[in-house]
Amino acid sequence: DQQVKQNSPSLSVQEGRISILNCDYTNSMFDYFLWYKKYPAEGPTFLISISSIKDKNEDGRFTVFLNKSAKHLSLHIVPSQPGDSAVYFCAASGNQFYFGTGTSLTVIP
Amino acid sequence: DAGITQSPRHKVTETGTPVTLRCHQTENHRYMYWYRQDPGHGLRLIHYSYGVKDTDKGEVSDGYSVSRSKTEDFLLTLESATSSQTSVYFCAISERDGHLSAGELFFGEGSRLTVL
Repeated sequence: DQQVKQNSPSLSVQEGRISILNCDYTNSMFDYFLWYKKYPAEGPTFLISISSIKDKNEDGRFTVFLNKSAKHLSLHIVPSQPGDSAVYFCAASGNQFYFGTGTSLTVIP
Repeated sequence: DAGITQSPRHKVTETGTPVTLRCHQTENHRYMYWYRQDPGHGLRLIHYSYGVKDTDKGEVSDGYSVSRSKTEDFLLTLESATSSQTSVYFCAISERDGHLSAGELFFGEGSRLTVL
């Protein structure tokens, strides 16, 4: 059973608009939540994280929101740029790291 | 960029043959991981290591074994490759346990394995 889920396989957004990527999890014991970005033929790279004791973390154009009661987190990218086009993986850490299935973001110029 | 090298980057092999993938790091990180990435499944943990000679199974460990005789090297072995093991394999390293901090993972560039 998947402990971290990303229910949207793909998302298309116009350049300059907001991209919102969503992630749900089942285990309330996770300590940290992370987002990774992956370009084709490359390994995933760390983007941003949030501790389970916080509800928001911001880094430039990227903001992650955590709603513990709903076991839901989201990544907001504002403004979206064509270079943001990639696959985004949500991950949660406890005794090990658990990843979602990924959301492919396309930012249309 | 974290110093992680995976080899080989691409390999085509036949069912039943043994295959070993190598991960080499220059960061002296304690934790090393092997993941596989498949469509519809994301990244799934195969095995991980929390120190030299200390390894443990992940969620998809059947058919795989690992060894870590040195801090810098983590080997993934498929004793008898099957077509279901066709995948992209990623090595990752981390200097902290996931419980203690964000302990972000640094990934290698991946090894694409095709089992015919």
